[in-house]
Amino acid sequence: DGGITQSPKYLFRKEGQNVTLSCEQNLNHDAMYWYRQDPGQGLRLIYYSQIVNDFQKGDIAEGYSVSREKKESFPLTVTSAQKNPTAFYLCASSPGHEGGAQYFGPGTRLLVL
Amino acid sequence: GNSVTQMEGPVTLSEEAFLTINCTYTATGYPSLFWYVQYPGEGLQLLLKATKADDKGSNKGFEATYRKETTSFHLEKGSVQVSDSAVYFCATRTRTGTASKLTFGTGTRLQVTL
Repeated sequence: DGGITQSPKYLFRKEGQNVTLSCEQNLNHDAMYWYRQDPGQGLRLIYYSQIVNDFQKGDIAEGYSVSREKKESFPLTVTSAQKNPTAFYLCASSPGHEGGAQYFGPGTRLLVL
Repeated sequence: GNSVTQMEGPVTLSEEAFLTINCTYTATGYPSLFWYVQYPGEGLQLLLKATKADDKGSNKGFEATYRKETTSFHLEKGSVQVSDSAVYFCATRTRTGTASKLTFGTGTRLQVTL
């Protein structure tokens, strides 16, 4: 089945630690995105990538980093510089047509110990 | 840039009631419009879309019509079920150069009771 997978489902971070969230897609989509969702709020764009080896900052990129070495993969690292990392993180991909529709993974919930 | 305004929730309805969730947008030109649904603890699912003015998107009994005159894309369903309880997000496409992004509303929680 084609789709987007995110792992782990839950992730715990200790103070001063960097953690990496995985996002993989087998939909052959060119574009991929990372969003942050806080309780009772909408989605805020962290980073996005239109093609392999290229990515751009979104609205709240500070304290995060990404890489796009393969078309299928777009991992997100939450660095120690991100002082309030507790949130639900959503990865999405888009084929570039279909009017710009994006398709989402199941999400990773990051909690701080 | 583009923006989306949704009605605040929660919206509480009895099963089989009629649903309307309002969504208005501000944008340059006529961007694609979307409705997504999010069930507790899950990612967002694309519910329906419309890519040009006067288009009607529909799926699973839900409908929304792209109204350029009122810059609106209201979500409707004739008869809701308990299983429709979720958070609904309206979104618009934003183009920045060659990049394509979505701008989301803050979401509207729907609770359907028996």
